[in-house]
Amino acid sequence: QSALTQPASVSGSPGQSITISCTGTSSDVGSYNLVSWYQQHPGKAPKLMIYEGSKRPSGVSNRFSGSKSGNTASLTISGLQAEDEADYYCCSYAGSSTYVVFGGGTKLTVL
Amino acid sequence: EVQLVESGGGLVQPGGSLRLSCAASGFTFSSYWMSWVRQAPGKGLEWVANIKQDGSEKYYVDSVKGRFTISRDNAKNSLYLQMNSLRAEDTAVYYCARVFWGTFDYWGQGTLVTVSS
Repeated sequence: QSALTQPASVSGSPGQSITISCTGTSSDVGSYNLVSWYQQHPGKAPKLMIYEGSKRPSGVSNRFSGSKSGNTASLTISGLQAEDEADYYCCSYAGSSTYVVFGGGTKLTVL
Repeated sequence: EVQLVESGGGLVQPGGSLRLSCAASGFTFSSYWMSWVRQAPGKGLEWVANIKQDGSEKYYVDSVKGRFTISRDNAKNSLYLQMNSLRAEDTAVYYCARVFWGTFDYWGQGTLVTVSS
């Protein structure tokens, strides 16, 4: 069982928007503004999409956005495209001993 | 361009040892914390270990403490993971990643470690 809870799957049609939730606790998501999101296509390495809750690395489409409320972080993808179909993982800093916790991953299907 | 290239994976028997390497380029390696993150087949991501820029601080997930050792050679721009007393549950793709405050901003392509008799 993963430390952060994500839905196992979400789906949407091209052009639509979807949101993936990531629920933690007051010891991780709720305590730090250090949630990151990763995209992983089959057989590939994860790619950083969002860091520090809502910041996008250079080169990541502005269709990807992140937010946080309390112990729950969210990733929103707007204007869905076929290439967005992938697994998405959230991750939160959890202090110096645990360091980080990951979510179990969400499979995004573009219909 | 930042590049991280892992090597050293393979098939090993339970109780055996393996040493993974990660060659870094495209950035000042000695300025960054580095991590190993693993992914069991069909499963999610799990942080394994961290090492500070100068190697003076190292942290591990509980399940590998006492069995795995992370190290680095800044002169060779290389990161290592020595894995001893390997178990079936250590079977995974192991990724080398650059890290800051719990954010893994660059990842290698991964190297597969299979622990089986």
